[in-house]
Amino acid sequence: NAGVTQTPKFRVLKTGQSMTLLCAQDMNHEYMYWYRQDPGMGLRLIHYSVGEGTTAKGEVPDGYNVSRLKKQNFLLGLESAAPSQTSVYFCASSAGLAGGRDTQYFGPGTRLTVL
Amino acid sequence: AQKVTQAQTEISVVEKEDVTLDCVYETRDTTYYLFWYKQPPSGELVFLIRRNSFDEQNEISGRYSWNFQKSTSSFNFTITASQVVDSAVYFCALSVTGANSKLTFGKGITLSVRP
Repeated sequence: NAGVTQTPKFRVLKTGQSMTLLCAQDMNHEYMYWYRQDPGMGLRLIHYSVGEGTTAKGEVPDGYNVSRLKKQNFLLGLESAAPSQTSVYFCASSAGLAGGRDTQYFGPGTRLTVL
Repeated sequence: AQKVTQAQTEISVVEKEDVTLDCVYETRDTTYYLFWYKQPPSGELVFLIRRNSFDEQNEISGRYSWNFQKSTSSFNFTITASQVVDSAVYFCALSVTGANSKLTFGKGITLSVRP
């Protein structure tokens, strides 16, 4: 099992460019999440999905869109990148167990720089 | 709303010292789960432990131990006889029932273990 994988690992964009980050999991997990990690801020939830075809906003959703067309994939899109979106992006997945007893497993991260 | 506070931002110890990482949480829910994750210099997030609100027994795993005290809303993590490989950022996180397994993270504690 590869677990959670993210593509690409690194990317440099110019302001205004667009891109899509791909997250894939092979654990048959129902739930998937996108976070961003900035120095001194911990991890903040951007968007999440509780099943194929569903998405919902997290804590910091502005400037991002997501899609979950297949259960194993969760895409994060930046339509018009801004320097404030320079960050490390993590994808996570979990089985979707009820009652808060779920455990999230994380991908290796994507380091994005917007110039 | 949930909140996780990791008041220590950076800790530096010499190898073989014991070190305790503090985590204080806030929630009005009576059922919740607490987590610790490790982020080594390579960048990935590694799940360490999950503890539910009804189980206040301390947990020990090798050199790692966790002390959960509901009376003080704390879930502290102790590394005994620290090693250089323990150098990492450690995150405490909280999940509550009915929140789609979303995690609220603390801002992390950077632990440096010097040889």
